[in-house]
Amino acid sequence: EAQVTQNPRYLITVTGKKLTVTCSQNMNHEYMSWYRQDPGLGLRQIYYSMNVEVTDKGDVPEGYKVSRKEKRNFPLILESPSPNQTSLYFCASSYQGGRGYTFGSGTRLTVV
Amino acid sequence: AQSVTQLGSHVSVSEGALVLLRCNYSSSVPPYLFWYVQYPNQGLQLLLKYTSAATLVKGINGFEAEFKKSETSFHLTKPSAHMSDAAEYFCAVSDRANSKLTFGKGITLSVRP
Repeated sequence: EAQVTQNPRYLITVTGKKLTVTCSQNMNHEYMSWYRQDPGLGLRQIYYSMNVEVTDKGDVPEGYKVSRKEKRNFPLILESPSPNQTSLYFCASSYQGGRGYTFGSGTRLTVV
Repeated sequence: AQSVTQLGSHVSVSEGALVLLRCNYSSSVPPYLFWYVQYPNQGLQLLLKYTSAATLVKGINGFEAEFKKSETSFHLTKPSAHMSDAAEYFCAVSDRANSKLTFGKGITLSVRP
């Protein structure tokens, strides 16, 4: 089954404790992206990757890092999480050209 | 840069009434357009998409949307609302050049019995 898999689904952590949210896709998509969803703000892009070793900032990149060492994986790293990063996070992937996207199930992160 | 405008944050309709959720976009190139639905505590589900074929697009659950280039709009409609349509709806536009998908702020649909 074609899918984007995010882990974990839920995470509660403390301020400053490094964490990684994993994202993996099995469709050989070139493009991958991370979004955060906050009430009243919709989904905002954090980082994206056009292909292996090619990443760039989205609209709200501060406090986040990403890497794309393999085509299928695109982890989101929070080196020093803060409470304002409490949010619902989605990973997405697509072929180049933007005709259609597959989304992961989401990761609900709470930073206390 | 592309953008999406969804006016208002909440729409309430009676069961059986017409559903109309508005979406306007800006894009420097011919866009691909999407509507997603998110039910409470769930992920995103694709309702329908426009990828430059027919301008009237039919989606799942009886929803449809019409691409109007002259109005830069992609409004979502359903002739008769059902209680199960209560959810948050997001309009999105993608950039063919860099594949970036940009979302509107979303609109919550409530359906009254």
